[in-house]
Amino acid sequence: DGGITQSPKYLFRKEGQNVTLSCEQNLNHDAMYWYRQDPGQGLRLIYYSQIVNDFQKGDIAEGYSVSREKKESFPLTVTSAQKNPTAFYLCASSPRGRGSFETQYFGPGTRLLVL
Amino acid sequence: QKEVEQDPGPLSVPEGAIVSLNCTYSNSAFQYFMWYRQYSRKGPELLMYTYSSGNKEDGRFTAQVDKSSKYISLFIRDSQPSDSATYLCAMKGAGGTSYGKLTFGQGTILTVHP
Repeated sequence: DGGITQSPKYLFRKEGQNVTLSCEQNLNHDAMYWYRQDPGQGLRLIYYSQIVNDFQKGDIAEGYSVSREKKESFPLTVTSAQKNPTAFYLCASSPRGRGSFETQYFGPGTRLLVL
Repeated sequence: QKEVEQDPGPLSVPEGAIVSLNCTYSNSAFQYFMWYRQYSRKGPELLMYTYSSGNKEDGRFTAQVDKSSKYISLFIRDSQPSDSATYLCAMKGAGGTSYGKLTFGQGTILTVHP
């Protein structure tokens, strides 16, 4: 089955700790994205990557870091600099082409909680 | 002021009702408009997408875009309990620096009761 997987489903972070959220896709999509979802605020873009070894900051990149060493993988690290990390994190991917429109497909999400 | 405004609800309707979900936006550069459905604790799934103004129908769902009023709508006919979810509108501009960036509304929580 083609799709996007995120792990873990739940993640607990202690104060001062960095944690990494995994995102893998087997859809052969070039572009991948990370969003944060908080109650009543919709989805906000953290980082996105259009191609391997390249990524761009979104609207709320502070306190987060990413890498894109493989087409299939786009891990997100929540660093200790992110003071309010409790949220639902969603990874998405999309193909390139067909002009400037690309449909984004989402993974099942990771819920991050601070201990 | 947020670029995209969406009434968070919650909206509660009886089974079989027609549901109208709406978003307004302020950025006239938006060209592509989408509706996502998100069940509790799940990732959003794409329901409908349209380019520029007009209507698009898919089964019980109809998406409308009125660019002159900066207003988009999603209509659900013959609503079912399985339609109970959060509905998110999303939109983006055409190419350039807007590549890859969707701007989302806050989401409307819908409950369809039997």
